[in-house]
Amino acid sequence: DAAVTQKPRYLIKMKGQEAEMKCIPEKGHTAVFWYQQKQSKELKFLIYFQNQQPLDQIDMVKERFSAVCPSSSLCSLGIRTCEAEDSALYLCSSSQSAGYEQYFGPGTRLTVL
Amino acid sequence: GQQVKQSSPSLTVQEGGISILNCDYENDMFDYFAWYKKYPDNSPTLLISVRSNVDKREDGRLTVFLNKSGKHFSLHITASQPEDTAVYLCAAGITGNTGKLIFGLGTTLQVQP
Repeated sequence: DAAVTQKPRYLIKMKGQEAEMKCIPEKGHTAVFWYQQKQSKELKFLIYFQNQQPLDQIDMVKERFSAVCPSSSLCSLGIRTCEAEDSALYLCSSSQSAGYEQYFGPGTRLTVL
Repeated sequence: GQQVKQSSPSLTVQEGGISILNCDYENDMFDYFAWYKKYPDNSPTLLISVRSNVDKREDGRLTVFLNKSGKHFSLHITASQPEDTAVYLCAAGITGNTGKLIFGLGTTLQVQP
């Protein structure tokens, strides 16, 4: 079983609704990453937290997403207004620190109707 | 363009044979290279990783070869077994940076009994 936990596993939203997914990183890991994987596409980096601070993110996340790590044991990724193109598998990973091995959670599969 | 490329979308190997999975990259700043295994509807599982200060790393039946001048790394699986059948993702990153990983599209390995 993955030491990184993600909830929910499946999420269905209507276009225009808000979505939120959570990640519990592996205990002791200080770096948390979010990736997005669409059907038949590669995993795409979204945002990186180090010690709960966002240190790198792509423009799409800045514009349409909300991501926080309120504690070392919980992070969340939100989409303010879901669009059909947001349908994807959202994977959270954590590592001991930036530049070390990343371990993935089971993912949250978001479907936007 | 894709920074990390897996040119073979699929590979079929007979049980007991050697599976060779290849990955090319563009950014010569990459200094961390990893291989992940992914089953359908599951998240990626880290198999093996290397840093750029070595050109080979072995772990059981798995060996990673790194060719920095050629911007290429590969995963060799000896004594391939049917349970090795899965999608294999290569990934690269810069450890002195955020540590985010850039992934390839994946190669589907099928090991036939």
